[in-house]
Amino acid sequence: QSALTQPASVSGSPGQSITISCTGTSSDVGGYNYVSWYQQHPGKAPKLMIYEVSNRPSGVSNRFSGSKSGNTASLTISGLQAEDEADYYCSSYTSSSTLEFGGGTKLTVL
Amino acid sequence: QLQLQESGPGLVKPSETLSLTCTVSGGSISSSSYYWGWIRQPPGKGLEWIGSIYYSGSTYYNPSLKSRVTISVDTSKNQFSLKLSSVTAADTAVYYCARLVITIFGVVTEFDYWGQGTLVTVSS
Repeated sequence: QSALTQPASVSGSPGQSITISCTGTSSDVGGYNYVSWYQQHPGKAPKLMIYEVSNRPSGVSNRFSGSKSGNTASLTISGLQAEDEADYYCSSYTSSSTLEFGGGTKLTVL
Repeated sequence: QLQLQESGPGLVKPSETLSLTCTVSGGSISSSSYYWGWIRQPPGKGLEWIGSIYYSGSTYYNPSLKSRVTISVDTSKNQFSLKLSSVTAADTAVYYCARLVITIFGVVTEFDYWGQGTLVTVSS
């Protein structure tokens, strides 16, 4: 059982927007602005999409955005495209100076 | 462009020790701005952080694996390594090495570069 809770799956049609949640506690997500999001296509290594809650690395589409409210962080993908279909994982720094991942969310583009 | 490459046996027997090495190219492992980490992913399951190391040798481990994990660094070879002892079938996974960013406050945050991963199967 993962320390951070994500929905197992979400889906949306091309052009729509979807949001994936990542719920933790005040000892991780709620306590620090150190939440990151990763995209993983089948058979590939994860790719960093968002860091420090809402920052995008160079080269990542501005259709990807992140936010946080209390103990829950969120990843929003706008203008869904077929290539966005993948697994998405959140990660957070913790008060124990460790890192933890969410269980992952499978995004299906209908 | 920074590259990380995992290497090691793809098959390990139960109760033995899993050993993997990550070779870093295109950048120095001795940078003060980064930790270096190991993450694993059992087939069909999610990601699990194993542990991380600084070039000085300072380490952080996942508490659930701490008793079996050792991560070390060899700055002369630009490599860091993972040893996981007393393995069982539950340790079968794709093992990734990755670079971990440190903030100005000394907090480790995100993995910005990843290796391609290597599948390690625990079986007799």
